[in-house]
Amino acid sequence: NAGVTQTPKFRVLKTGQSMTLLCAQDMNHEYMYWYRQDPGMGLRLIHYSVGEGTTAKGEVPDGYNVSRLKKQNFLLGLESAAPSQTSVYFCASSFRGTGANVLTFGAGSRLTVL
Amino acid sequence: GQNIDQPTEMTATEGAIVQINCTYQTSGFNGLFWYQQHAGEAPTFLSYNVLDGLEEKGRFSSFLSRSKGYSYLLLKELQMKDSASYLCAVMDSNYQLIWGAGTKLIIKP
Repeated sequence: NAGVTQTPKFRVLKTGQSMTLLCAQDMNHEYMYWYRQDPGMGLRLIHYSVGEGTTAKGEVPDGYNVSRLKKQNFLLGLESAAPSQTSVYFCASSFRGTGANVLTFGAGSRLTVL
Repeated sequence: GQNIDQPTEMTATEGAIVQINCTYQTSGFNGLFWYQQHAGEAPTFLSYNVLDGLEEKGRFSSFLSRSKGYSYLLLKELQMKDSASYLCAVMDSNYQLIWGAGTKLIIKP
């Protein structure tokens, strides 16, 4: 049972380059999320999805785009990377969006933008 | 604005008990979560409280007081593997999770 899988685990980009982070879950969860984690700060929600074909903005969506073409996959794109996007990115999924909404996280993707 | 406060770092001794506090000010309340995150790894779920009182789960317990905007995570019989960051998160009225910055717990032999 793989749970939530993120690729790549590490990536170094130059300013202005683009890239896509891939997230896949095998738990048939409806909800999927992309967070970033920076030192001294709580997890911040970038974008989320409540089901296949849907996406919504979170707290810090600027500079990122997402797509959820298949229920099991949630992609996070950076069109023109900036040094401020250097962070650790976590994908998560959950069965429901309310109540005891337990998130299952991927292992994280460490991105450095030079 | 919405705010979650936790101590940045705490140190405790193996075999002892430690209490990690979390205070919150959010737009509404639909539950409070505690997650554990080992360095370089993903957060993993520990506990969920939505009603006042104490929830016990093995060596870990979590307490909630909604009127005080306060929770704590109690860890008993500390083991070296408990060295990790502990994240407090509150679900607000829009069912969005608001996360604290986490408390790094250092366990000494």
